[in-house]
Order: sequence, then C-alpha cells, then structure tokens
Amino acid sequence: AQSVTQPDIHITVSEGASLELRCNYSYGATPYLFWYVQSPGQGLQLLLKYFSGDTLVQGIKGFEAEFKRSQSSFNLRKPSVHWSDAAEYFCAVGPSGSARQLTFGSGTQLTVLP
Amino acid sequence: EAEVAQSPRYKITEKSQAVAFWCDPISGHATLYWYRQILGQGPELLVQFQDESVVDDSQLPKDRFSAERLKGVDSTLKIQPAELGDSAMYLCASRGLYNEQFFGPGTRLTVL
Repeated sequence: AQSVTQPDIHITVSEGASLELRCNYSYGATPYLFWYVQSPGQGLQLLLKYFSGDTLVQGIKGFEAEFKRSQSSFNLRKPSVHWSDAAEYFCAVGPSGSARQLTFGSGTQLTVLP
Repeated sequence: EAEVAQSPRYKITEKSQAVAFWCDPISGHATLYWYRQILGQGPELLVQFQDESVVDDSQLPKDRFSAERLKGVDSTLKIQPAELGDSAMYLCASRGLYNEQFFGPGTRLTVL
C-alpha cells in the first residue's frame, strides 16, 4: 500500500529565509507526486506536480520540488519565504489501483516570522 | 480559470439534523471526490465517483452519509442525522489529466 510521510508537523522560518519541507513516500511503481497548500478555512491549492521527466519541477508562487527516487523523497523548496506563504502544506502520492486515488500526508504547518 | 464550486461555505447545525453539501466540478472532469478533513490532518476520502457511478465508498459511513451524482456532473453529499463528531471541513475535488486533483473551497460544518 502506498503511503506518505511528512516528518515535520510544524516549521517556523523568518521572512526572507529559505525553506525546505520534507516528504517521503512509499510506492510500488513510478509515482505521481504532488504538493498542495491550504490557507486557513480554504480548500487545497495545487502548487506543483511530478509525473515524469525532469526531476526538478517548478510550481506556482516560486516553489520548486525535487524528485529523488533513491531516497523516495519529494521535498518542497523556496529560496526566500514571504509572510503570505504561512499555511499548511500537504504532499500527496498516486495513483493507487484502478480507482487512481491519491494518498495525502498529514501536513506541515508553516509559520513565517516577520 | 475553471474552478470547483462548493456550497455552502459554512454550515452550523444541531445534532440529529440533516445537512447537505453541493459540489460542481470543473467542466469535463469525469472523476469527482468527496473528502473529510479534520483540523490538523490531511484529507480522507469519503467517496469517489466516475461519471454518475460510485467507484469507491468504502470509507463512507453509510448509516448516516449518502452521496449522489445523478447526471454525472454536480454532486450532493448528505448527512442524516448529523453527530457531534461530524464537525469537519468537507472538500470536493475533481481529477485532471495527470491525476492531479483540483479542490473546491470546502464546506466547514459545525455540529452543536
């Protein structure tokens, strides 16, 4: 069965500092990988996705993520964090079975200090 | 840009009452999902539709929850009767070409 682990429940960074959010997955084949962001009281917004090709993918809002098969990781990065980036971030892996479902991690809450 | 629509955004109800949530996916998306998200956790799948058919409802508490997508477009999720433990965010999503899921803004349910 596929699974996603986000080891950091909560991360705090200062505005302007770099950011890396960790995601490790377990999957039997080549995965599709996603990062979503959720602001309080809102739905999830897709930041970026990986399904094949270049292992470094660019997303919206200046985010990027790197797929490392050897480490089963798909970490999210941003070189300079803005206060508006404060939110919860979810990593997801799929598809699963004939239903082609996604499995979500438990999320990382990002706090940005002024 | 096409979006997933959900209504209402917020719903407060008393336990034992019935509630219903509505979702309109991105036009042309055949696959629709309903998730429940408890505060501080990731979304958990309740039900998945392919067109008008249920693909997976194994995690749907069928004694009180029901979902339908009669014409294969918009969908309704119902809870009857609501219980205190049902307080959560209910998210609807539809699936794109590369299995990415596009989420609506959600319905925040509070059961008193």
